[in-house]
Amino acid sequence: DQQVKQNSPSLSVQEGRISILNCDYTNSMFDYFLWYKKYPAEGPTFLISISSIKDKNEDGRFTVFLNKSAKHLSLHIVPSQPGDSAVYFCAAISGNTPLVFGKGTRLSVIA
Amino acid sequence: DADVTQTPRNRITKTGKRIMLECSQTKGHDRMYWYRQDPGLGLQLIYYSFDVKDINKGEISDGYSVSRQAQAKFSLSLESAIPNQTALYFCATSDSRRDVEGEQFFGPGTRLTVL
Repeated sequence: DQQVKQNSPSLSVQEGRISILNCDYTNSMFDYFLWYKKYPAEGPTFLISISSIKDKNEDGRFTVFLNKSAKHLSLHIVPSQPGDSAVYFCAAISGNTPLVFGKGTRLSVIA
Repeated sequence: DADVTQTPRNRITKTGKRIMLECSQTKGHDRMYWYRQDPGLGLQLIYYSFDVKDINKGEISDGYSVSRQAQAKFSLSLESAIPNQTALYFCATSDSRRDVEGEQFFGPGTRLTVL
């Protein structure tokens, strides 16, 4: 059973527009939700997180929204830049257990 | 200098061979993890260790074993490699004092090909 789902394997967006990456989860016990970014030939790097007690967290061009009633979170990138082209993983954690990752969404920002 | 290093970065081996992937970290973190990434399957947890004397299976541990030789070192072994273990392997670390927030730090990966 996949606890964290990213249903869109890929997304293409024009430079300067908004990118919206979506993630759904099934475990209502998750405490934190995180987004990781991965470039080819590199390990994933942490991008932004949100606590389950909040509904929004913003860091520069990146904003994560959490809708607990819908068990849904999204990452907004505004404005999108070509350097944002990467694979984005949604992840979640509950208590003292390891992170659970989604399968990732490949974002392509077209100049 | 990288905080989490993996050796080798690339490895080609033959079916049936034993192979070890090594991970070292200078972050002083107590927790370490091994993941594999296959195209379209995201990051799957193989094994994890919360301290030197602690080893736990992840979701896909069959065919793998691990050793936590020291707080800074965590190695992954394939006792008898098979072609479907061809994948990208990542080591990661985290700090239990901050682990409620879930942030992990990843190494650069090892690309393993089993012929």
